This record gives sequence, C-alpha cells and structure tokens, in this order.
Amino acid sequence: QSVLTQPPSVSAAPGQKVTISCSGSSSNIGNNYVSWYQQLPGTAPKLLIYENNKRPSGIPDRFSGSKSGTSATLGITGLQTGDEADYYCGTWDSSLSAGRVFGTGTKVTVL
Amino acid sequence: QVQLQESGPGLVKPSETLSLTCTVSGGSISSYYWSWIRQPPGKGLEWIGYIYYSGSTNYNPSLKSRVTISVDTSKNQFSLKLSSVTAADTAVYYCARETVVVVAATHQGVWFDPWGQGTLVTVSS
Repeated sequence: QSVLTQPPSVSAAPGQKVTISCSGSSSNIGNNYVSWYQQLPGTAPKLLIYENNKRPSGIPDRFSGSKSGTSATLGITGLQTGDEADYYCGTWDSSLSAGRVFGTGTKVTVL
Repeated sequence: QVQLQESGPGLVKPSETLSLTCTVSGGSISSYYWSWIRQPPGKGLEWIGYIYYSGSTNYNPSLKSRVTISVDTSKNQFSLKLSSVTAADTAVYYCARETVVVVAATHQGVWFDPWGQGTLVTVSS
C-alpha cells in the first residue's frame, strides 16, 4: 500500500473547481517536493506539476499545486469534460531506500 | 522533443522472465535517470527501478531480488528484466525519464516526464 493517501474520487460540474488532496508524512511530503500526474483513460500518465507548484510548458494555468505541512493539493479550475481522468501525486520518501512513491490515485468525474 | 517507446512480448508464462526495452528518440539517453513504472489493471502506479546513463541502478525493494535494468547508450535504449513472474506481475509497464533535484540531504524532488505509451504484459500459461 502507498504511503501517500488520496481520496478515491472527486466530482464537480463543468466550469467548477475541484481540489485533490495528497496526505503523507514528514519523511515524504513534509520535507520534499511533490509532483502531480494526469492519466486520461487508456493513456500513459502525464506530468502536470513538479516541485510542488511548477507547471511544465504546455500545461494550462487551470492546474495548480500547493503544499502545506505533510499534505499537498492539486487544484483544477474551470473544469472541462476533458479533465475527467485519474490523478496521482508523487514524491520522494527519505525513509525508503528507493525513495520514489506515488499516491493512491483520485478519479475526477465531470458531472 | 524526447519520446519513449516500450517494446517486448505481451504474454509471458509463469516462472519465466519478462523482458522489455525502451527506445529513447529525439534526445540522448546520457545525463538522465531512466525509470520503469508499472500499473496493474485497475490499480495505481508502482515504481520498479531506475538506471542512470552511466549504469548505476536502484530498485524498489519489493522487487529487487527479481529485477535487472540495463542500458545501451549506443542504441539509446534501456531494458527491464523481471524474473520468476507470476500473475501478480500482469500490468501495463511504462518507461519514463526521471528528473531528480537535491536541495539538501533531507529535501529532494523527483518527477517523471516524459512517459512511454506503455505496454501491457500478461502473465499466463
């Protein structure tokens, strides 16, 4: 089981805002950078956010990331039907020899 | 831009070895970390391991005894071997470029971008 916990699902109507939480501990989120990934149905994950709140080129500013203590949050504003996907957080865990961990994943449904 | 493409058998028999190759195009395999990540059907992501272009590796402890990742810089490829597979190893296998930043010993970051399209490997007799 993952050391990063996400809600299984969130939903909202088109145009609304959703937030996805990623809860961890001091050995992972609390002291390390968080990244977020979008996985559209049947496709590979795509990087949305790195270093807590930075967006790669081409990612719209409707997507935002933040971190507070041992939790991180992905926000999506102006929700679109094309945003319906699974979203995963990821980070480094200093207590693990390999370090790399992903969250449990959250399904975003556009009502 | 850099693109990754996985290749290899889609069906492997139990107890045999799963072998996949990731071909990197549009850029050099040098100076980066390259990872394998898998996703069982309907489940989340699991990091398998990485290889640095120089050949150094690091593996998920839960798979370490069965995993070998190698690199061929002349072909811009890196490969995954997973031995003694069982049905639990059935998954979509992704390769990805990994970026690691170290701010301090206890403050690091890692992210994966880009990813290959993934390849489904089924373990069945």
